Amino acid sequence: GAGVSQSPSNKVTEKGKDVELRCDPISGHTALYWYRQSLGQGLEFLIYFQGNSAPDKSGLPSDRFSAERTGGSVSTLTIQRTQQEDSAVYLCASTRMSLVGTTGELFFGEGSRLTVL
Amino acid sequence: RKEVEQDPGPFNVPEGATVAFNCTYSNSASQSFFWYRQDCRKEPKLLMSVYSSGNEDGRFTAQLNRASQYISLLIRDSKLSDSATYLCVVNMNRRYNFNKFYFGSGTKLNVKP
Repeated sequence: GAGVSQSPSNKVTEKGKDVELRCDPISGHTALYWYRQSLGQGLEFLIYFQGNSAPDKSGLPSDRFSAERTGGSVSTLTIQRTQQEDSAVYLCASTRMSLVGTTGELFFGEGSRLTVL
Repeated sequence: RKEVEQDPGPFNVPEGATVAFNCTYSNSASQSFFWYRQDCRKEPKLLMSVYSSGNEDGRFTAQLNRASQYISLLIRDSKLSDSATYLCVVNMNRRYNFNKFYFGSGTKLNVKP
């Protein structure tokens, strides 16, 4: 489809292992966001990419978390040495950005549910 | 202090009721305001933008009070299908086009038959 695509949809891993989560935004959307949502909680901002600008990494909770966006399209969120508190749904969103800003509609993927045992 | 604060609820209302949600934001530089809806174990989706003059979309009315840094959502004639979590969202357009969206924790609505 033409929506935001995330993979894997579910990931169960052991504490200490590394995981990679992938996001394929809507074609033509220059802005891409990663959020984290723990059970029953709100969305926690992690990182933001806009075009060729340096990403805003201010929401990454520790240096175990990193993300990249290759070719201005697909993004990968990497969590190294996973901990149990990393268990959450990781949501990716994209939006079209214009010179005056955004329409405000973030299009979300269905999320990657991470469980760290 | 959180950027966006909401009453978590839950709000339990009968079908046909009118229900109102409130939200406050901390940063007066906030520029754009939205309500998103999130169904259980689903991704959030835009419900409506919130304009300074107030705006209506069918049974839904949104209001913004910049002086008090307060946003509201009114749902009239509630339907069972309105049961969801409603997220208040504030957008800050910073220099260099860095647009940050701040999400409230959401208000849960349960509409009962």
